Amino acid sequence: QITLKESGPTLVKPTQTLTLTCTFSGFSLSTSGMGVGWIRQPPGEALEWLALIYWDDDKRYSPSLKSRLTITKDTSKNKVVLTVTTMDPVDTATYYCVHLSGTHVMDVWGQGTTVTVSS
Amino acid sequence: QSVLTQPPSASGTPGQRVTISCSGSRSNIGSNSVNWYQQLPGTAPKLLIYSNSLRPSGVPDRFSGSKSGTSVSLAISGLQSEDEADYYCAAWDDSLNGYVFGTGTKVTVL
Repeated sequence: QITLKESGPTLVKPTQTLTLTCTFSGFSLSTSGMGVGWIRQPPGEALEWLALIYWDDDKRYSPSLKSRLTITKDTSKNKVVLTVTTMDPVDTATYYCVHLSGTHVMDVWGQGTTVTVSS
Repeated sequence: QSVLTQPPSASGTPGQRVTISCSGSRSNIGSNSVNWYQQLPGTAPKLLIYSNSLRPSGVPDRFSGSKSGTSVSLAISGLQSEDEADYYCAAWDDSLNGYVFGTGTKVTVL
């Protein structure tokens, strides 16, 4: 059974860097075809894809946020980390990590973690 | 920032059939498979349909997906109260080299 759980600060100040960790089980990111992605959802708004990383370290980023995002993996610890620099109140959202299988199919989602950006 | 367009809302009475559309372009829906996600109130999204029309294990066959050109549709037949949720389409976009979601549709069971 695949599970994912997001962790990180619930409150960050404007201009700070956000670091989120996705800890997963039930699969290995060293296995061909596996991937982990990050999606966020501002309150009352639609889902927005942020980034993804595959077993072979292939990384993709949202073009609109690419300059602010970094995604990395620690295969031995079953963790994926997303950093977002220069946080702004508009980045207030619930952040989800997801398991990717096949061709970009986000088949299992974490419960999400809510991040508020405020001074 | 949604690239895929969905109607903001849809509704029906129990037992009715409801259809949700999702419109994109050649670089996303026109070139790649589409997935649908269901988000029940206060919960994380859940994969509902993948590869345009396939249902993951455990998803009732009341849910079906179809694709035509640069548009896809999600149909819910025999609408039930527990189907009240937000629904999102999503696909890879070759031009953006990234994943794009739809604007989302809120389904209400009257």
